[in-house]
Amino acid sequence: DAGVIQSPRHEVTEMGQEVTLRCKPISGHDYLFWYRQTMMRGLELLIYFNNNVPIDDSGMPEDRFSAKMPNASFSTLKIQPSEPRDSAVYFCASRGWDEKLFFGSGTQLSVL
Amino acid sequence: DQQVKQNSPSLSVQEGRISILNCDYTNSMFDYFLWYKKYPAEGPTFLISISSIKDKNEDGRFTVFLNKSAKHLSLHIVPSQPGDSAVYFCAASVVGADGLTFGKGTHLIIQP
Repeated sequence: DAGVIQSPRHEVTEMGQEVTLRCKPISGHDYLFWYRQTMMRGLELLIYFNNNVPIDDSGMPEDRFSAKMPNASFSTLKIQPSEPRDSAVYFCASRGWDEKLFFGSGTQLSVL
Repeated sequence: DQQVKQNSPSLSVQEGRISILNCDYTNSMFDYFLWYKKYPAEGPTFLISISSIKDKNEDGRFTVFLNKSAKHLSLHIVPSQPGDSAVYFCAASVVGADGLTFGKGTHLIIQP
């Protein structure tokens, strides 16, 4: 199995631009999570899906952030408009029946 | 309010000695605990876990200890090796809930 695949690995954009991060979970996993890592807050959960349905989005910072999972093999996290304080590493993770999360390599986002 | 706390941002240990990473939690509903290891530019990877019905779990050089009364767990690495240099995240989950709550991580540096 290829594991969780995220793209792009790096994204540099200017303030105000739209940013779309992509994730392909491990095949057969029912849960998909989006996390953000910053020095100040560590790894924080933004949103997660179960069987493609958003279950808890209480961690999404504000309305500029949105996430979708149109099918079992694809999810996006969108920021529109982006701001410098959104700069962070964004991780996608998936899991099956047990508690263990499997993470992708992350997207390093820099908003100038 | 951080429910999972790793109070040491960094730890330096000599190669061959024991590394002890600590984690405290505040939510008494947590019943499953995990440690993740993260190298630069990679996603966190699962290392070892422990259920609240146990007080110790061992896997090779890695042992996790859980003290429920103190709401404290620790990860022991013996002997420490250069490849153990990484950021270690403590994580916890509540039975019936879907996500993991992470600490901010401890950067372990193994010195030759």
